Amino acid sequence: DVQVVESGGGLVQPGGSLRLSCTVSGVVFSSYWIHWVRQAPGKGLVWVSSINSDETITTYVDPVRGRFTMSRDNAKNTVHLQMDSLRADDSAVYYCARGDHYVWGKVAYWGQGTQVTVAS
Amino acid sequence: SALTQPPSASGSPGQSVTISCTGTSSDVGAYNFVSWYQQHPGKAPTLLIYDVNERPSGIPDRFSGSKSGNTASLTVSGLQADDEAVYYCHSYAGSDTLVFGGGTKLTVL
Repeated sequence: DVQVVESGGGLVQPGGSLRLSCTVSGVVFSSYWIHWVRQAPGKGLVWVSSINSDETITTYVDPVRGRFTMSRDNAKNTVHLQMDSLRADDSAVYYCARGDHYVWGKVAYWGQGTQVTVAS
Repeated sequence: SALTQPPSASGSPGQSVTISCTGTSSDVGAYNFVSWYQQHPGKAPTLLIYDVNERPSGIPDRFSGSKSGNTASLTVSGLQADDEAVYYCHSYAGSDTLVFGGGTKLTVL
């Protein structure tokens, strides 16, 4: 079975940084796109960022571009989301999800999410 | 910007309900890469439909998808109590980006 596990969430002050990690097991990790999706309290899902299999392509939603950086370590089956200059509206549950061989492919495997709270 | 979904939908057990998802000619209308997810409170989303009308293994055929122009639709047939959840559409939007709909809360009466 494929398992997706996020970690690294927590409470951080506005302007601070946080690094989320996501480990995917049970599959050939290096072949797949990985995505981050967030959900603010009581709100809907929002796509945040995606990375391709060999880290040559990373894309971001406009509100986080320039502040968030996604990376991956295929040897460790892990992706990271470095979040800098955090703002209150970045507060959300962040989900990591394993995609497919193409960015538009099905996103079938999701983690349980990690909570990020930006507050003073 | 986000795809447009009705905020709510409802139906009685055994009935069918259809949820719409309206995008633009740059996302839903441009690609046959629309997915639908179900999310119960406090849980991660579950993939129901991908590539407009394909079901992953384990998803019952009560769930079906379609698309016409810039609007995709999810139909849930034979409504069951456990179908009460929030449903999200999702589309490829070009340039290696993705976009979600705002979500539709389905109530089983």
